[in-house]
Amino acid sequence: EAGVAQSPRYKIIEKRQSVAFWCNPISGHATLYWYQQILGQGPKLLIQFQNNGVVDDSQLPKDRFSAERLKGVDSTLKIQPAKLEDSAVYLCASRPLTFSGTGELFFGEGSRLTVL
Amino acid sequence: GQSLEQPSEVTAVEGAIVQINCTYQTSGFYGLSWYQQHDGGAPTFLSYNALDGLEETGRFSSFLSRSDSYGYLLLQELQMKDSASYFCAVTLGGGATNKLIFGTGTLLAVQP
Repeated sequence: EAGVAQSPRYKIIEKRQSVAFWCNPISGHATLYWYQQILGQGPKLLIQFQNNGVVDDSQLPKDRFSAERLKGVDSTLKIQPAKLEDSAVYLCASRPLTFSGTGELFFGEGSRLTVL
Repeated sequence: GQSLEQPSEVTAVEGAIVQINCTYQTSGFYGLSWYQQHDGGAPTFLSYNALDGLEETGRFSSFLSRSDSYGYLLLQELQMKDSASYFCAVTLGGGATNKLIFGTGTLLAVQP
């Protein structure tokens, strides 16, 4: 079974530029999450989708961040304009709709963003 | 709000036993998970506790005390490959919309 796919793995941009990250979850996983992980910290939840609907985006800085999952499968996270403090790894995770009892999330390798 | 606290770093030697603690303050608590993350890699699931007590999975065990808002991960027979960051995470809500909030992480260094 293929895992969660993310791209690009690495991205370097200047501040005020824009960037987009793509995630393809495990096939059949209805729930998709985007996390931001700053170096030395734990992952911070940005947004949660269930199919193509947003469940929780309370921690998403909506003035500059946006995310969509139009067909309920893959998802895109965009930052525009980027700030220095957005330098982080952006992790995508997914899980099946049915609660497994463990709440296990399956993570991708992440997209590492450096803002100069 | 939600908060989870872990020690920032732990050092141990190969073959030893190490315990990584996690204290949390949350509302809507459903369970406590542990994830391992090697440098530059994806977090991977290790264990989960929904009820008080000890859960054992091979060399790893995890404990939860809901009344104390406390849990720990126990790693036995440490190996060099166990050097990684370990995160506790609380599951909020038990239904289809549940989400994971992660702790600050503990960097484990295993020395020969």
